[in-house]
Amino acid sequence: DGGITQSPKYLFRKEGQNVTLSCEQNLNHDAMYWYRQDPGQGLRLIYYSQIVNDFQKGDIAEGYSVSREKKESFPLTVTSAQKNPTAFYLCASSIFSGLAPNEQFFGPGTRLTVL
Amino acid sequence: AQKITQTQPGMFVQEKEAVTLDCTYDTSDQSYGLFWYKQPSSGEMIFLIYQGSYDEQNATEGRYSLNFQKARKSANLVISASQLGDSAMYFCAMRLHPPGNTGKLIFGQGTTLQVKP
Repeated sequence: DGGITQSPKYLFRKEGQNVTLSCEQNLNHDAMYWYRQDPGQGLRLIYYSQIVNDFQKGDIAEGYSVSREKKESFPLTVTSAQKNPTAFYLCASSIFSGLAPNEQFFGPGTRLTVL
Repeated sequence: AQKITQTQPGMFVQEKEAVTLDCTYDTSDQSYGLFWYKQPSSGEMIFLIYQGSYDEQNATEGRYSLNFQKARKSANLVISASQLGDSAMYFCAMRLHPPGNTGKLIFGQGTTLQVKP
């Protein structure tokens, strides 16, 4: 079955540690995205990538880093510079073409908690 | 700047009744798309329906329809014949089309819908 997988489902981090969240898709989508969701809030874009070996900052990129070495993979690293990383992280992918609908398909998410 | 506003933090609806979830948007672009997603308590985001800014007819997908009023910049979601499984958080989102297209979605704050038996 085609889809997006994220791991781990739950992640606990001590202050000062870097952690990496995994996102893999087998939908052959060009574009991939990382969003952050705080309780009771909407999603905010962290980073996105439209093509392999290229990515752009979203609205809240500070304290995060990404790589896009393979089309199917877009890992997100939450660095110690991120002051308040406790949140729900969602990865998404879509066909990247000019016009709609091209909806984004989402993974099941990773819930990160800083201890 | 582009923005999505959902003014209803929470809504209740009786099972089998229809409910409307409000969404207004702000953009100066002429070409854009509007999406609705459902987020159950499990956290996954489920795509429901899409409306393009140049679509003349309102989008429909099964029990979901989108009441698109371009002049008012509103894109309300109508769920007919509500079911208990419709209880979830609902997000309205917007994506710009070229030349402003980056593919990213701009989300509203969401509306929590509870369906009562």
